[in-house]
Amino acid sequence: ELQLVESGGDLIQPGGSLRLSCAASGFFFSDYWMGWVRQAPGKGLEWVANIKKDGSTRYYLDSVKGRFTVSRDNDKNFVYLQMNSLRAEDTAVYYCARHGNYNFESWGQGTLVTVSS
Amino acid sequence: DIQMTQSPSSLSASVGDRVTITCRASQSISRYLNWYLQKPGKAPKLLIYTISTLQSGVPSRFSGGGSGTDFTLTISSLQPEDFGTYYCQQSQSNPWTFGQGTKVEFK
Repeated sequence: ELQLVESGGDLIQPGGSLRLSCAASGFFFSDYWMGWVRQAPGKGLEWVANIKKDGSTRYYLDSVKGRFTVSRDNDKNFVYLQMNSLRAEDTAVYYCARHGNYNFESWGQGTLVTVSS
Repeated sequence: DIQMTQSPSSLSASVGDRVTITCRASQSISRYLNWYLQKPGKAPKLLIYTISTLQSGVPSRFSGGGSGTDFTLTISSLQPEDFGTYYCQQSQSNPWTFGQGTKVEFK
């Protein structure tokens, strides 16, 4: 059974750093692009970043460029989101998602990041 | 960035009703239009991709249509399990963007 399980969400002060992890299982991980999508409290969905199957290509939302880094470990079946210089507006549930055919085919349950002093 | 606009923002309907949600893109997105359903406190679930292809396991009462910049999601006979918020999303170009959502509630 396909599973995506995020972890690492926490309450963090503005300017701080956090690394989110997403453990993938039930499918051949290195065959798929992976992405991160976030949802601020009471708001809609916002794509954040994605990474190619072999990690060679990465794309970012403009507002996180230079602060967030997406990476993956195809041996351990993990995808990560390193978040630096966090701002209040980064507060959200962060979902890990497996890409399908130009879509987000499968989603994890999400992990909450709260940026507040 | 391509802006996605859904209408209505919310609707109330009864079991058995036919429901249609509209999504408009700020520029042509070819066939790269997807629909998701999110229930409260849960992750979104892919319903339809590339305008009209049903994701595996999605009931046939759901259908998608449209082209270019204007798209629709139709539920032919609304069921109790269909409540939640529906989002359209384009994957024509980065950044992939979502509509603001349409909340479907029951009368």
